[in-house]
Amino acid sequence: EAHLVESGGGLVQPGGSLRLSCAASGFTFGHYWMHWVRQAPGKGLVWVSEIDSGGSSTSYAESVEGRFSISRDNAKNTLYLHMNSLTGEDTAVYYCASLSAPVDYWGQGTLVTVSS
Amino acid sequence: EIVLTQSPGTLSLSPGERATLSCRASQSVYNNYLGWYQQKPGQAPRLLIYGVSSRATGIPDRFSASGSGTDFSLTISRLEPEDFAVYYCQQYSSSPRTFGQGTKVEMK
Repeated sequence: EAHLVESGGGLVQPGGSLRLSCAASGFTFGHYWMHWVRQAPGKGLVWVSEIDSGGSSTSYAESVEGRFSISRDNAKNTLYLHMNSLTGEDTAVYYCASLSAPVDYWGQGTLVTVSS
Repeated sequence: EIVLTQSPGTLSLSPGERATLSCRASQSVYNNYLGWYQQKPGQAPRLLIYGVSSRATGIPDRFSASGSGTDFSLTISRLEPEDFAVYYCQQYSSSPRTFGQGTKVEMK
């Protein structure tokens, strides 16, 4: 059974940085594009970033372009999201997901709170 | 960027009733790359439908979907208590992937 487990969330001050990790198991991680999706408290789902299966192609939502960086280590079955220059608008639950319908796996999410 | 607009924002229905949710795209969604998700409080989204009308693994047949181009819909034929949740459409035909703002199906 496939599992995605995010970690690295927490409280960070405005302007700060954080690195999220997503550990994958139960499926061939290196075969799939992977994504980060976030959800602010009480709000809807927002796609954040994606990376191809080999890690060479990435794209970002306009709201995070230049501040966030997605990467992966297929040997460790792990996806990352490096977040810099954080603001209150980045406060959200961050999910990693495969979004490769019908292969569609989601983690349980990790909460990032940006506040002083 | 393809903007997806869902309607209504909230649907108040009783168990056993039929629910019809709409998703309209700002431009054509190619290759039928549109899906629907269900999300319950405190849980990650769950894929219900992909490719406009194909049910994901384990999804009961009371869920059906259709559409093409810019207009799509999700129908729940007879609402079960576990179907009260928020539903999102998502397009994956072009980058950036986008989600609709969601339709909440609440118990009347």
